[in-house]
Amino acid sequence: SQTIHQWPATLVQPVGSPLSLECTVEGTSNPNLYWYRQAAGRGLQLLFYSVGIGQISSEVPQNLSASRPQDRQFILSSKKLLLSDSGFYLCAWSVEGGSTDTQYFGPGTRLTVL
Amino acid sequence: QKEVEQNSGPLSVPEGAIASLNCTYSDRGSQSFFWYRQYSGKSPELIMFIYSNGDKEDGRFTAQLNKASQYVSLLIRDSQPSDSATYLCAVSGRGGKLIFGQGTELSVKP
Repeated sequence: SQTIHQWPATLVQPVGSPLSLECTVEGTSNPNLYWYRQAAGRGLQLLFYSVGIGQISSEVPQNLSASRPQDRQFILSSKKLLLSDSGFYLCAWSVEGGSTDTQYFGPGTRLTVL
Repeated sequence: QKEVEQNSGPLSVPEGAIASLNCTYSDRGSQSFFWYRQYSGKSPELIMFIYSNGDKEDGRFTAQLNKASQYVSLLIRDSQPSDSATYLCAVSGRGGKLIFGQGTELSVKP
């Protein structure tokens, strides 16, 4: 069965510091991978998605970036965090080329920027 | 007009009642429709998906889809306090992406 991991689970960072969040998927090959952000009391905002190693599409201009160095690893980064970067960061996967578009979410990382 | 709209709630129902959650979408080309449940502080978990017009039942949950009216709903029968959560409607978009509504908060009172 497939599982998705995210770490860290929680993170408190000062404004201007760098960020690295990691997501890994087990039990599937060549998944589509997604990064979402959910601000407090808000819906899910798609940040990045990837259909393969090194292939990243950005949905929203911001000071964040994403990378996919391995098939089942997806990393979200920032060089300098802003207060507005606080939120619940969710990684999700779906079957590559699947017809259902069903996405499954990881446990998330709660980021607080002070 | 938002691409996927849900009533924000909170929707409050007594234990044992039927909870009805509604969602409308703007893209007539959407083919896949999903309901996720999100407990406070947790990540969304998939409850059901539906592709065809009509009803799809899974235990106490029934998803209903009407593509002509661009409307999808989720019925929860015999609601339990453990069903209290935010329910997210998601609709397939271009390139395999999902478009999420803002979510409806459901509260089931004992």
